[in-house]
Amino acid sequence: EVQLVESGGGLVQPGGSLRLSCTVSGFTFSTHSLTWIRQTPGKGLEWVTSINSGSTSIDYADSVKGRFTISRDNAKKSVFLQMNSLRVEDTAIYYCARRSAFGVAQSYYFDYWGQGTLVAVSS
Amino acid sequence: SSELTQDPAVSVALGQTVRITCQGDSLTRYYASWYQQKPGQAPVLVTYGKNNRPSGIPDRFSGSSSGDTASLTITGAQAEDEADYYCNSRDSSDNHRVVFGGGTKVTVL
Repeated sequence: EVQLVESGGGLVQPGGSLRLSCTVSGFTFSTHSLTWIRQTPGKGLEWVTSINSGSTSIDYADSVKGRFTISRDNAKKSVFLQMNSLRVEDTAIYYCARRSAFGVAQSYYFDYWGQGTLVAVSS
Repeated sequence: SSELTQDPAVSVALGQTVRITCQGDSLTRYYASWYQQKPGQAPVLVTYGKNNRPSGIPDRFSGSSSGDTASLTITGAQAEDEADYYCNSRDSSDNHRVVFGGGTKVTVL
């Protein structure tokens, strides 16, 4: 059974930092790309960042570029999200998801998701 | 960057058919995927690619695409299909970014 389990969320003041972790089981971690997606309470989904299997291709949404850093440890089957200079608008549930691709054009989709971890940024 | 547009809400009578659409320039280049999200739960992939369903997704869910519009059709909607549905695709720029639609709330009457 595929499982993705996020941890590390919590309450932090504006300007503070937080490190999220996502530990995976049930598939070959080292051959798949992973992604962080967030959802503001009561609102829609927002892609945050993705990292490929070898950590050679990393992309960020403009809203977090320069503040967030994604990384992975294939030996620990884990992906991490270091969040610095947090803002009130970063408050959201953060989901870890496996990214897969379809077809010649490599259309992306997210076939497995964790249950999410809540990050609240407030003074 | 790309944008995907969805209608905020649709309703369907029990057992009838409903189509949810997602429009955006990126869909002329990439397939959309669709996700179902129920309150308090993580999203679940329901269709991807040309019209592929993950294991466990009922065949009443189907995906299609034409031009810059992708559609998710629920044929014979059930009460348990009431949920938010999101589309996503890869950004139309030559990068690995991803964009999500704003979501459609489906109410089964």
